[in-house]
Amino acid sequence: GDSVTQMEGPVTLSEEAFLTINCTYTATGYPSLFWYVQYPGEGLQLLLKATKADDKGSNKGFEATYRKETTSFHLEKGSVQVSDSAVYFCALRGTSGSRLTFGEGTQLTVNP
Amino acid sequence: GAGVSQSPRYKVAKRGQDVALRCDPISGHVSLFWYQQALGQGPEFLTYFQNEAQLDKSGLPSDRFFAERPEGSVSTLKIQRTQQEDSAVYLCASSLARTGREQYFGPGTRLTVT
Repeated sequence: GDSVTQMEGPVTLSEEAFLTINCTYTATGYPSLFWYVQYPGEGLQLLLKATKADDKGSNKGFEATYRKETTSFHLEKGSVQVSDSAVYFCALRGTSGSRLTFGEGTQLTVNP
Repeated sequence: GAGVSQSPRYKVAKRGQDVALRCDPISGHVSLFWYQQALGQGPEFLTYFQNEAQLDKSGLPSDRFFAERPEGSVSTLKIQRTQQEDSAVYLCASSLARTGREQYFGPGTRLTVT
């Protein structure tokens, strides 16, 4: 079945540091890929998505590129802010087009 | 407009009690999903409705879990004879179309079974 693996956390960075959170997946066909963010006390919010190979999703300075050859969708940001502190989830939606399969999440803490 | 709402936000139940968790999706959204999120883990799919039809319940962990959406809007997730392993955050999400559209998540209900 479908699965998503994220890099182990937590991740602690200083403000303005470069961020990478690794995500790899296993799925049949061509899934859609997502990054969701969960701020403390809030619900999951879609951060960015990519629906086909080589697509780049971007939002709020975050980027991720759908790499079919490496089955990866790594999240990057060039300069993190304290307000980026949250839990980040990589997810896929398989070709059946309904349910989401999530990774285990990565806690990011950005210190001033 | 209003997002997905869930109630209660927090629920404490004694082992063996029945609980009912409510989800109000975004108005007009056809699809509704329930997920279970254990502490420190990612959400896991429980069940999916398209309007009032429950099209996929393969993620429900046992026959103690039951979900309904009788009028194609509000949904209720019921857990009978709760066990400690049921302690988790239960997330509801809704989506405008049948497939292939963004899922909007509610804030979740944190269930603690003592």
